[in-house]
Amino acid sequence: SQTIHQWPATLVQPVGSPLSLECTVEGTSNPNLYWYRQAAGRGLQLLFYSVGIGQISSEVPQNLSASRPQDRQFILSSKKLLLSDSGFYLCAWSGTGGSEKLFFGSGTQLSVL
Amino acid sequence: GQNIDQPTEMTATEGAIVQINCTYQTSGFNGLFWYQQHAGEAPTFLSYNVLDGLEEKGRFSSFLSRSKGYSYLLLKELQMKDSASYLCAVRDNYGQNFVFGPGTRLSVLP
Repeated sequence: SQTIHQWPATLVQPVGSPLSLECTVEGTSNPNLYWYRQAAGRGLQLLFYSVGIGQISSEVPQNLSASRPQDRQFILSSKKLLLSDSGFYLCAWSGTGGSEKLFFGSGTQLSVL
Repeated sequence: GQNIDQPTEMTATEGAIVQINCTYQTSGFNGLFWYQQHAGEAPTFLSYNVLDGLEEKGRFSSFLSRSKGYSYLLLKELQMKDSASYLCAVRDNYGQNFVFGPGTRLSVLP
């Protein structure tokens, strides 16, 4: 069966510090991978998605970046965090078929102080 | 553009039935999904519609009308544990992007 791992679960970082969140998927090959952000009490905002190694699509211009160094590994990074980067970050994967649903990791609660 | 609307909050009584509506205007359509999200947790999949009509799964049902850009999630025999946010999402025409609505926060009262 497929599983998705995301870490860390919580993170408190000072403004201006770097960020690296990692996500890995097991039990499937060539998944579509996604990073979403959710502000408190709000909906999910798509940040990045990837359909293959090294292929990254950015939905929202900002100081975040994403990389996919391996088929089942997706990394979200920032060189300098802003206060507005605080939120709940969710990694997700889906298959490539039309009816494939989205499966989410457990999320990372990021607080930038 | 992409636009998905849902009511922000709803309240219902334990044992009752509640209907959560979702309207969408997207550049493409490859299926509509409903997710449940408890506070501080990741969303979990509830239902999927790609053809018009009603899909039933236990206490949960979801309806889709593609011509109207409309869906609803019906929750029957409400339980306290159903208090959560319910997210409507549309998969785009290329099947790569999932666009989410703002979510509806449902409170189930005793």
